[in-house]
Amino acid sequence: AQSVAQPEDQVNVAEGNPLTVKCTYSVSGNPYLFWYVQYPNRGLQFLLKYITGDNLVKGSYGFEAEFNKSQTSFHLKKPSALVSDSALYFCAVRDDVEYGNKLVFGAGTILRVKS
Amino acid sequence: EPEVTQTPSHQVTQMGQEVILRCVPISNHLYFYWYRQILGQKVEFLVSFYNNEISEKSEIFDDQFSVERPDGSNFTLKIRSTKLEDSAMYFCASSPDRAPNSPLHFGNGTRLTVT
Repeated sequence: AQSVAQPEDQVNVAEGNPLTVKCTYSVSGNPYLFWYVQYPNRGLQFLLKYITGDNLVKGSYGFEAEFNKSQTSFHLKKPSALVSDSALYFCAVRDDVEYGNKLVFGAGTILRVKS
Repeated sequence: EPEVTQTPSHQVTQMGQEVILRCVPISNHLYFYWYRQILGQKVEFLVSFYNNEISEKSEIFDDQFSVERPDGSNFTLKIRSTKLEDSAMYFCASSPDRAPNSPLHFGNGTRLTVT
């Protein structure tokens, strides 16, 4: 079965510094990977998805994610963090072999950006 | 931009009572989902629905739960006899098709409090 690990409960960065939120995955077949962001008392907003062949994917709000097949990782990155980026971030995966069309989410990582 | 809408935003009910959570998916989407999130923690898959039947369900989705698409626009989750541990945020989501790279679009959720 597919699974996702987000090894950090919380990531703290200073405004203007680069940020990385880590994600590793496990699937039987080909991975379909996504990042979502959740602000307090809101639903999950889609940020970006992995596109086959593009190891660096660009998404909303200046975020990007780096896919690494050998390390089974899909880390979320941003070159310069904003205080408004502070939120809960979820990595999610879908497996095209065990594909029951659901997304499986990681436990989430709280990002705190301090001014 | 089209949105998934959920009502009510907050539902308080007594243990043992039935509740119905309502969702209006994005109009041209074909796949519908319910997820839940307990206390801002992990987002857990409950059920997926396509062509008027359940595609997949998790272990959480036991006989106390049911889903229905009563008309062309609404998608409901019913909990027949609520338990304290059903207290959570319930998110509805939809996607346009079965393609594995299609992201899910989430509503803002219904906070269910069982007392």
